[in-house]
Amino acid sequence: GAGVSQSPSNKVTEKGKDVELRCDPISGHTALYWYRQRLGQGLEFLIYFQGNSAPDKSGLPSDRFSAERTGESVSTLTIQRTQQEDSAVYLCASSLTSGGVSTDTQYFGPGTRLTVL
Amino acid sequence: LAKTTQPISMDSYEGQEVNITCSHNNIATNDYITWYQQFPSQGPRFIIQGYKTKVTNEVASLFIPADRKSSTLSLPRVSLSDTAVYYCLVGGDSSYKLIFGSGTRLLVRP
Repeated sequence: GAGVSQSPSNKVTEKGKDVELRCDPISGHTALYWYRQRLGQGLEFLIYFQGNSAPDKSGLPSDRFSAERTGESVSTLTIQRTQQEDSAVYLCASSLTSGGVSTDTQYFGPGTRLTVL
Repeated sequence: LAKTTQPISMDSYEGQEVNITCSHNNIATNDYITWYQQFPSQGPRFIIQGYKTKVTNEVASLFIPADRKSSTLSLPRVSLSDTAVYYCLVGGDSSYKLIFGSGTRLLVRP
């Protein structure tokens, strides 16, 4: 079946504008994750959804960042009043459940490359 | 999650076997060792996971010594398309939060 998809693939915005990034997980996957990857670096965890609730938002860098999920489907990551330091690739992943890395492989989308001018 | 240490980069040639070692001295009893591969402009892709001894799949092998303080990802007969960044992660049943280090950049030359 289809993998995780994300849109847009690239987004260029001006400082101070709001952006919305979308993630479509693999059908049937109850867990969904957002990560951020700065150039040449590893991934930073942002937020995790189990169904449409977010039990762990600990990675969100500031209150300008928010995310929501509709049922066990699409998720949207919103960044308000974007800053240049928000420039990065934003990756979404989904897994069948959230049993942990030992039992549930996370499948990643291709990411959205965000550039804030 | 236990911190991991791996080489920043490695070079190899087509057809050679590549071994990438990861150190995880503080690994916990219930932690598993997982390796991901990431190509440019793509999200990471799961390669292999193990708890102890040796695990092999169609892509790679994972060797884990008895003390589990390190692990080695082995890629047999690499090709140019294996050029990627390889990440070693350690975590257990409650570790849904993947923590990636900087990874190892593998360059395979013709």
